Amino acid sequence: GAVVSQHPSWVICKSGTSVKIECRSLDFQATTMFWYRQFPKQSLMLMATSNEGSKATYEQGVEKDKFLINHASLTLSTLTVTSAHPEDSSFYICSARDGDTPQYFGPGTRLLVL
Amino acid sequence: EDQVTQSPEALRLQEGESSSLNCSYTVSGLRGLFWYRQDPGKGPEFLFTLYSAGEEKEKERLKATLTKKESFLHITAPKPEDSATYLCAVRETGAAGNKLTFGGGTRVLVKP
Repeated sequence: GAVVSQHPSWVICKSGTSVKIECRSLDFQATTMFWYRQFPKQSLMLMATSNEGSKATYEQGVEKDKFLINHASLTLSTLTVTSAHPEDSSFYICSARDGDTPQYFGPGTRLLVL
Repeated sequence: EDQVTQSPEALRLQEGESSSLNCSYTVSGLRGLFWYRQDPGKGPEFLFTLYSAGEEKEKERLKATLTKKESFLHITAPKPEDSATYLCAVRETGAAGNKLTFGGGTRVLVKP
């Protein structure tokens, strides 16, 4: 149990385009979902937290107009990177939690912006 | 400021050579301490949750323990497949407890 999926697993896009990443909890209802970014050989950096049906709470320094997060249902959250630039290239990982359960992580999405 | 520190940063072990990873934390109140394993290019995999001092949990060759200031992840007779980065995270009580605070991780390499 407690499986979180992400789609796509990797994506290459041109600078200036937008990219959407989906995160789904497959066998539980995720009351809270999180989006992280990870640079090579570094730990996870939390970008934002979202509760189902509410607006996301962004961490300091994360541009909410650039990284659009939607948590439309108890099993789905999306991260849209708008007008992507090469510096947005990174490994994006979502996680999900139901109440006080542990956070379970998705497999990650590698984004490369050319 | 709440803080989570893991040591060592990297650990090279021979197969069968047991060792321990440390996670020290400073929070006003602990709601839970979590251990994850992360393989290169993948998301973290949940291992354990510890809630109170004195608690211990085991899974195969891994054993996690918790005191009021730190947690240890003991790896007994490791195998090459135990090579990974091990992440420790804490969730504190109160309003800030909606998210995890991660340590920097310990990269473990087990050589055959």
